[in-house]
Amino acid sequence: GAVVSQHPSWVICKSGTSVKIECRSLDFQATTMFWYRQFPKQSLMLMATSNEGSKATYEQGVEKDKFLINHASLTLSTLTVTSAHPEDSSFYICSARDSWSTGELFFGEGSRLTVL
Amino acid sequence: RKEVEQDPGPFNVPEGATVAFNCTYSNSASQSFFWYRQDCRKEPKLLMSVYSSGNEDGRFTAQLNRASQYISLLIRDSKLSDSATYLCVVNNDMRFGAGTRLTVKP
Repeated sequence: GAVVSQHPSWVICKSGTSVKIECRSLDFQATTMFWYRQFPKQSLMLMATSNEGSKATYEQGVEKDKFLINHASLTLSTLTVTSAHPEDSSFYICSARDSWSTGELFFGEGSRLTVL
Repeated sequence: RKEVEQDPGPFNVPEGATVAFNCTYSNSASQSFFWYRQDCRKEPKLLMSVYSSGNEDGRFTAQLNRASQYISLLIRDSKLSDSATYLCVVNNDMRFGAGTRLTVKP
């Protein structure tokens, strides 16, 4: 089946630094990818919809200048957490759907970010 | 009203029990529905799609009620390994329900 690879799986960084997370669709093209955040014992919250070749669409309350999304190709989307702070520590997950399908979402393995 | 709502539980059931979860959605134009399973500290994985006529996969049965705008997941003969959070997805907007936490106990 389709595979979405997310990297890094975990990262620890100092407050004030920026962290980039990559999401790749390995065997299908994804016009659209989705970025979620999940705090412990809470639900997945959609942060933004990443559109290949255009600007991402952010959910209400998500700062676009804080969470930079780039979707430069049909197989790669990146999320950069800029000037990270401890409250940004969370589990970030991307997902993608085959451009030719309206069905199943395929998820990356997630990236656990800890900001010290 | 949230687009997708689930009873967060937790549901604590004994092994062998039958348990059912519901997920309500607000957009009557929704066309695709899925149940995902998420284990602790892992990414969600597709459990099953939900078809209009209802569908079954082993011990799992999914149903759609368009009139009342909800989908359901029934698990029969619960196993310890069924312990997880079950998430519904209504495909129009990629938003998940809050998830229902299930713990199956010996």
